Amino acid sequence: EVQLVESGGGLVEPGGSLRLSCEVSESTFSTYSMNWVRQAPGKGLEWVSSISDNSGNIFYAASVKGRFTVSRDNAKKSLYLQMNSLRAEDTAVYYCASRICSTGVCPFAYWGQGTLVTVSS
Amino acid sequence: EVVMTQSPATLSVSPGERATLSCRASQSVSTNLAWYQQKPGQAPRLLISGASTRATGIPARFSGSGSGTEFTLTISSLQSEDFAVYYCQQYNNWPPWTFGQGTKVEIK
Repeated sequence: EVQLVESGGGLVEPGGSLRLSCEVSESTFSTYSMNWVRQAPGKGLEWVSSISDNSGNIFYAASVKGRFTVSRDNAKKSLYLQMNSLRAEDTAVYYCASRICSTGVCPFAYWGQGTLVTVSS
Repeated sequence: EVVMTQSPATLSVSPGERATLSCRASQSVSTNLAWYQQKPGQAPRLLISGASTRATGIPARFSGSGSGTEFTLTISSLQSEDFAVYYCQQYNNWPPWTFGQGTKVEIK
């Protein structure tokens, strides 16, 4: 089974920056579309960003556009999320999740265990 | 943006009983609808895709139905490990990929 492991979360002050990473176990990582999904404490799931297999298509939720940047390194089987200008409302567990299909129309098949980002002074 | 609405917010069910969860989309998503299960402190897990296809390793007591804007997840006989929060998600019209607010299935 595909394993996804996030890292990089922590406590950061409002206005600060943080970079999350997600390492994937599968050698076929370069064929996956990858996503970041977050979950604020006690709340539901919110899609944050998506990047296609070759980084040719990148999308962001309106709530993070212009502040967050998603990237990937297929050689390292890794996904990243650079988060700048962080706000209290960005406090959440951040999950990476993979979509595995050729059409782009597919669910989030595999998820990491999540990394907690807390934005507070 | 497609808005997903789940009902009820909380469902109280006795072990062994049947649970029926609903999900409604604000516009047609065809059958591009997934259900996820999330237990406390854990990541979501894919249960159902294509509105009715169980993911690998998911027990047959979980079934999904529906198309267009109305969907249902049924758990035929609740086991202790099934008490969790369930989310629906549409992946037909994106971005964004949107989730419902969740239904918590609790022990009655």
